[in-house]
Amino acid sequence: EAGVAQSPRYKIIEKRQSVAFWCNPISGHATLYWYQQILGQGPKLLIQFQNNGVVDDSQLPKDRFSAERLKGVDSTLKIQPAKLEDSAVYLCASSTGSSYNSPLHFGNGTRLTVT
Amino acid sequence: AQSVTQLGSHVSVSEGALVLLRCNYSSSVPPYLFWYVQYPNQGLQLLLKYTTGATLVKGINGFEAEFKKSETSFHLTKPSAHMSDAAEYFCAVSVPSGSARQLTFGSGTQLTVLP
Repeated sequence: EAGVAQSPRYKIIEKRQSVAFWCNPISGHATLYWYQQILGQGPKLLIQFQNNGVVDDSQLPKDRFSAERLKGVDSTLKIQPAKLEDSAVYLCASSTGSSYNSPLHFGNGTRLTVT
Repeated sequence: AQSVTQLGSHVSVSEGALVLLRCNYSSSVPPYLFWYVQYPNQGLQLLLKYTTGATLVKGINGFEAEFKKSETSFHLTKPSAHMSDAAEYFCAVSVPSGSARQLTFGSGTQLTVLP
């Protein structure tokens, strides 16, 4: 099966600019996650979707970050305006369900550098 | 709230030697536990998971982990390291949280395999 697809792989922007990341999950996976992985740290959940509804966005900085999952398939994550501390790898993952024993399948991530 | 502690951010072993990566967790409810591996510039890949039943779980690439409730540990081992095992390893704990899941990652352990 095709894996989780993410684009772009790399992005360099200046602070205060905006940026968007795209994710296409594995076909049939109802649950989609966006994680932020800062260098030297483990991934941190930003937002979780179940189909096209938000299940958990408690750690999403809503003043600058937004995400949507139209039609319950692809998803986009946007940052506007970006700050230096947003430099990280943004990982998209999907799973067959939201059960807490369903393993996550990760994409290769988008590495964002904010200068 | 649950948390994960990985002891040792960097571990070096010689090729053919035992690999031991340590993980301790805290959780107020019975957790599900996971180990993920991340190769450079890639997303995370599931190595193994513990849900219920047998406390010794086997994963891919010859890795295994043992759930010890009394020690709140889930250490990852492999009898004989291979050069291809060099990567970053993340332990994660998952507990239910309403309709969502709370999957919390440790900060990771970078494994270096010396020739």
